[in-house]
Amino acid sequence: EAQVTQNPRYLITVTGKKLTVTCSQNMNHEYMSWYRQDPGLGLRQIYYSMNVEVTDKGDVPEGYKVSRKEKRNFPLILESPSPNQTSLYFCASSWRQDNQETQYFGPGTRLLVL
Amino acid sequence: GESVGLHLPTLSVQEGDNSIINCAYSNSASDYFIWYKQESGKGPQFIIDIRSNMDKRQGQRVTVLLNKTVKHLSLQIAATQPGDSAVYFCAEPTGNQFYFGTGTSLTVIP
Repeated sequence: EAQVTQNPRYLITVTGKKLTVTCSQNMNHEYMSWYRQDPGLGLRQIYYSMNVEVTDKGDVPEGYKVSRKEKRNFPLILESPSPNQTSLYFCASSWRQDNQETQYFGPGTRLLVL
Repeated sequence: GESVGLHLPTLSVQEGDNSIINCAYSNSASDYFIWYKQESGKGPQFIIDIRSNMDKRQGQRVTVLLNKTVKHLSLQIAATQPGDSAVYFCAEPTGNQFYFGTGTSLTVIP
């Protein structure tokens, strides 16, 4: 089954404790992306990756890091989490064909930073 | 930066009626838009897309209309069903980035 998986789905942590949220896709997509979703603000793009070893900042990259060592994986790293990073996080992957793009989203990771 | 937004945060419709969800955008050069549906506890799911060389595109029970003059697009859902209850987003891929509206929460009243 074609899918994007994220782990963990739920996470409670404390300020300053490094964490990684994993994302994996099995569709051989080149493009992958991370979003955070907050009430009243919709989905905002954190980082995206056009291909292996190619990453770039989205609209809200501060406090986050990513890596793309393999095509299927795109982990999101919070080196020193802070309470304002409490949010719902989504990973997505997509293909581009005939100038159209369909993103497939993971199930989300709900993070609480105390 | 780019801006897409939705007109109403919530919408309630009677089961069987048609639903219209609106979205405005700011960049007159935008040429591609996508509608997503997000059910409670799940990630957004692609519904339908439209290019700027089209005014209308139809899918199964859904139609997207694009008015480039006023920079407005709408998603119409025919014969709304309880399973249509969700949050709907318009999104605009611009270059390598995606911009999403804040969403309209659709509630279908049985």
